[in-house]
Formats: sequence, C-alpha cells, structure tokens
Amino acid sequence: GAGVSQSPRYKVAKRGQDVALRCDPISGHVSLFWYQQALGQGPEFLTYFQNEAQLDKSGLPSDRFFAERPEGSVSTLKIQRTQQEDSAVYLCASSPHSSGVSGNTIYFGEGSWLTVV
Amino acid sequence: SQQGEEDPQALSIQEGENATMNCSYKTSINNLQWYRQNSGRGLVHLILIRSNEREKHSGRLRVTLDTSKKSSSLLITASRAADTASYFCATDAREYGNKLVFGAGTILRVKS
Repeated sequence: GAGVSQSPRYKVAKRGQDVALRCDPISGHVSLFWYQQALGQGPEFLTYFQNEAQLDKSGLPSDRFFAERPEGSVSTLKIQRTQQEDSAVYLCASSPHSSGVSGNTIYFGEGSWLTVV
Repeated sequence: SQQGEEDPQALSIQEGENATMNCSYKTSINNLQWYRQNSGRGLVHLILIRSNEREKHSGRLRVTLDTSKKSSSLLITASRAADTASYFCATDAREYGNKLVFGAGTILRVKS
C-alpha cells in the first residue's frame, strides 16, 4: 500500500481482555517500530524489528505485551489481560533502512486507539 | 520516559503570524527531527537536522539546532489555519540504539 496501515483504528476492550493490533508496513520496508502514545504525551518506544528479528524490546512495559513479525512484513502487537493504564494510541512506523532510525525518516501509521474500560 | 521538553505546551496565534516552538533535550544526539500530528492522526515527518548542522529550511519551516545548549527551535512562518496541530521533536542518539525519543509536544492553534 501507499502508507503504513494499522488495524483496528479503534478498539474498546474490557479490562482483562486480550487484544491484538495489526500493522502493515510500507512494502519492502526493513525496519518496523511500535510506539505507545498516551493522551497529551509524545510517543514512547516499545519495540523494533529488522525484518523478522526483534532487535530491541526494551520499551515493552510488561510481560503482558508481546510483538511479532514472523515473515518480516506484517507485525502484530498483542496485549494480554489489558489494564486501564494500557489505554493509549499504539503507533506503528516503518523505514526502508536497516540502520534503524539514525538519520533516517520513519513513516508512521494512523495508530490504533485502545480504550480499556 | 521522554527526554525532551518542549515549550510552550500550547500556542495560539492568528493566521499570518509566525509560530516558534522550542525543544530541549538532555544527551548528545546524532540527529533531531520534527514531526507534526493532526488531531486523531499519525505523525508526519517535517524535517531532520543533523548534529553538525545549525540551521535548515524547508518551505515555510525553519529549524535551528544549538548542541551547546541542547536545544532546537521550529519556526513556522506566515502560519495558516491548516498548520493547527501538535508538533513534536524527536532525537536519536548512540545510547538510544534504534529508537527515537520524543518530547511531549507543543499544541499549535492557528485562528483564521
């Protein structure tokens, strides 16, 4: 597609429910990133993939968060047993560069808005 | 946690005026980028400035970088109502690995 596509755009989950958020990066992009953006804040890094390899998961807030990119294209961010503090926008971004973010533009999707009630 | 701070937190100006937003950061960086985010949308890359650059222009945008003060500014000249959005600076640094570290953003409102 023309840009990074994320689904669902909006998700309301009951506390304790598992959710899965999907990201379709720009075709051919090697690098893929997940960020979490709380209301009124800037995005915070969650995890980074280079192709199918998850090279950095230091930003995942707890072991309830899990991300995968098994074939090096589509990625899924899974949140188990959701809590109210998980309510945020989850942004996916991709880049054609294998060198990560340094000096490179990364392209963001529109985000998945998660509300946990 | 976010390393950058931006000021002002919110800015309201009339169409045609210039808007200046500032960003401060805490560590030695490789590059600094500015992004725009319209309400309910994703981030759009505006401009990247490298640590060895002091000023960069792109259309109505002017970015400056002062590495001695660990600060950057974004100037939007002749603002338009369509410039209404949140603006974020983001830095990358060797110690951050493959992540951008964002500030909390400035909310800009341009009144027509």
